[in-house]
Amino acid sequence: DQQVKQNSPSLSVQEGRISILNCDYTNSMFDYFLWYKKYPAEGPTFLISISSIKDKNEDGRFTVFLNKSAKHLSLHIVPSQPGDSAVYFCAASGWTQGGSEKLVFGKGTKLTVNP
Amino acid sequence: GAVVSQHPSWVICKSGTSVKIECRSLDFQATTMFWYRQFPKQSLMLMATSNEGSKATYEQGVEKDKFLINHASLTLSTLTVTSAHPEDSSFYICSAGKNSRGGYTFGSGTRLTVV
Repeated sequence: DQQVKQNSPSLSVQEGRISILNCDYTNSMFDYFLWYKKYPAEGPTFLISISSIKDKNEDGRFTVFLNKSAKHLSLHIVPSQPGDSAVYFCAASGWTQGGSEKLVFGKGTKLTVNP
Repeated sequence: GAVVSQHPSWVICKSGTSVKIECRSLDFQATTMFWYRQFPKQSLMLMATSNEGSKATYEQGVEKDKFLINHASLTLSTLTVTSAHPEDSSFYICSAGKNSRGGYTFGSGTRLTVV
């Protein structure tokens, strides 16, 4: 039962254009969403997040959009740069029975930005 | 910023032996650390939540006797894979954070290969 889904395993974009990475979730109890960037053999690096009370959060070239009714979020990168090439994970935040935060990750989308 | 150090970055061990992985928060105290496992082209799966001074909380399907977690101090959590088998070969990552929502910092991960 995959609660967070990233249906596109890969995406290829030309430098300077917009990259749009999509993520869907099924559990309406999630109230915080995050995007992480990961290079091979490294741990994920936090990129940007959004609370469920918002529908947009912007940080420089990165913007995350949340559509709660559709249980869908997306990450927009504009303009895309070759250094953005990595695997991007969508994560949703909920709470464990013990009261600590738990992140549920999607399978990731490998973004390649071509020069 | 929050720094999480994970050691070793890779390890090869013989089947039947045990391996210990360390996760340290270098510039902050972490009452809670998380241990994840990632198979190739799969998402990061939460294995357990490590709580300082108390027993870890394991996710469903994770054998607590096989994956021993110790969180004896506010800056160190260890994961010991006991009696390792080839199917335990995977990428193990820890995370910790200062704030309660989302922006947890991940370690660089440990590539375990059991031969």
